[in-house]
Amino acid sequence: NAGVTQTPKFRVLKTGQSMTLLCAQDMNHEYMYWYRQDPGMGLRLIHYSVGEGTTAKGEVPDGYNVSRLKKQNFLLGLESAAPSQTSVYFCASSSPPARGHNEQFFGPGTRLTVL
Amino acid sequence: AQSVTQLDSHVSVSEGTPVLLRCNYSSSYSPSLFWYVQHPNKGLQLLLKYTSAATLVKGINGFEAEFKKSETSFHLTKPSAHMSDAAEYFCVVTTFSGGYNKLIFGAGTRLAVHP
Repeated sequence: NAGVTQTPKFRVLKTGQSMTLLCAQDMNHEYMYWYRQDPGMGLRLIHYSVGEGTTAKGEVPDGYNVSRLKKQNFLLGLESAAPSQTSVYFCASSSPPARGHNEQFFGPGTRLTVL
Repeated sequence: AQSVTQLDSHVSVSEGTPVLLRCNYSSSYSPSLFWYVQHPNKGLQLLLKYTSAATLVKGINGFEAEFKKSETSFHLTKPSAHMSDAAEYFCVVTTFSGGYNKLIFGAGTRLAVHP
């Protein structure tokens, strides 16, 4: 099993450009998440999905859109990139919440720089 | 509201000496708690988790953590540090919110291991 994979690994954008980050998981997880990681702040949730065709806002959703057309994929889009979106982006997946089975599994991250 | 405080942003130890990474949490009910590790330019890996079973939790790579409700702490320890333990460590508390298990991250502790 590959677990959670993310593409691309690195990307440099100019202000105003758009791009899509792809997350894929092969663990048949219902739930998927997008986080951003900034120095000294841990991870913050951008958007999440509790199943195919559903998405919801997390803690810091502004400037991002997401889509979950297939259960195994979760896409994060930046329509008009801004320097404030320079960050490392992590995708994660999990089973539905249940006591004792609520950990999330993370991908390797995408390092995005917006100039 | 749930929150996590990692008491040290940086910890430095010598190889072969004990490791202690401190974490305090705030939760209005019995929480689930995790420790994740992030090696440089890598994703997050689950070290161990507490979900109201045994208060002393053993994880991978010789790490363990003790849940102390009276002190609202979940400190991570290892008897003997190895060079490969150098990484950033995140203490995480979960809360069920919006239909999913929300992870609340501490700011992280960077562990340096010296020869």
